[in-house]
Amino acid sequence: GDSVTQMEGPVTLSEEAFLTINCTYTATGYPSLFWYVQYPGEGLQLLLKATKADDKGSNKGFEATYRKETTSFHLEKGSVQVSDSAVYFCALRYSGGGADGLTFGKGTHLIIQP
Amino acid sequence: GAGVSQSPSNKVTEKGKDVELRCDPISGHTALYWYRQRLGQGLEFLIYFQGNSAPDKSGLPSDRFSAERTGESVSTLTIQRTQQEDSAVYLCASSLGRGRETQYFGPGTRLLVL
Repeated sequence: GDSVTQMEGPVTLSEEAFLTINCTYTATGYPSLFWYVQYPGEGLQLLLKATKADDKGSNKGFEATYRKETTSFHLEKGSVQVSDSAVYFCALRYSGGGADGLTFGKGTHLIIQP
Repeated sequence: GAGVSQSPSNKVTEKGKDVELRCDPISGHTALYWYRQRLGQGLEFLIYFQGNSAPDKSGLPSDRFSAERTGESVSTLTIQRTQQEDSAVYLCASSLGRGRETQYFGPGTRLLVL
């Protein structure tokens, strides 16, 4: 079945460092891809999404590009801030018409130190 | 209006008891989803409601789990004869409808089965 694999955490970086959180997927057909973020004490929020190959999702300085050839959707940010500390989840939804639920990775805990 | 709300926020119960978790979706959202997040794991899809269609129950882990939704409003997730492995955060999400629409998540109910 469909699955999402993302890098294990926690990932600890200094403020203003470059961030990459890897995400790869296996899916039948052509899924839509998402990054969700969960800030401390808050619910899951959509960070960005891409619905077809080569699409780039972006929001709050984060970017991810849908790479069909490598089945990847890596999350990047050029200069992280302490406020980016959160748990980040990569997810997919199969767009072929079956079950509509999201398939999530296990999450990556990001810690940004001042 | 307001976002997705869930109640209770925390629930502690004894093994073998039944529990009921509630989700109030965003007004006007026809689609509603339940997910489970066990410690150290990603989110698992449980069940999906879309309007008046028959729900997609493909993610329910056993027949002890059931969910109902009245029209396009409140949903309740019921776990009968709870087991310790049911301990998790149960998340509800809603969206405008089936397809590529963004899912908005509630804060979750943290269930602990002793």
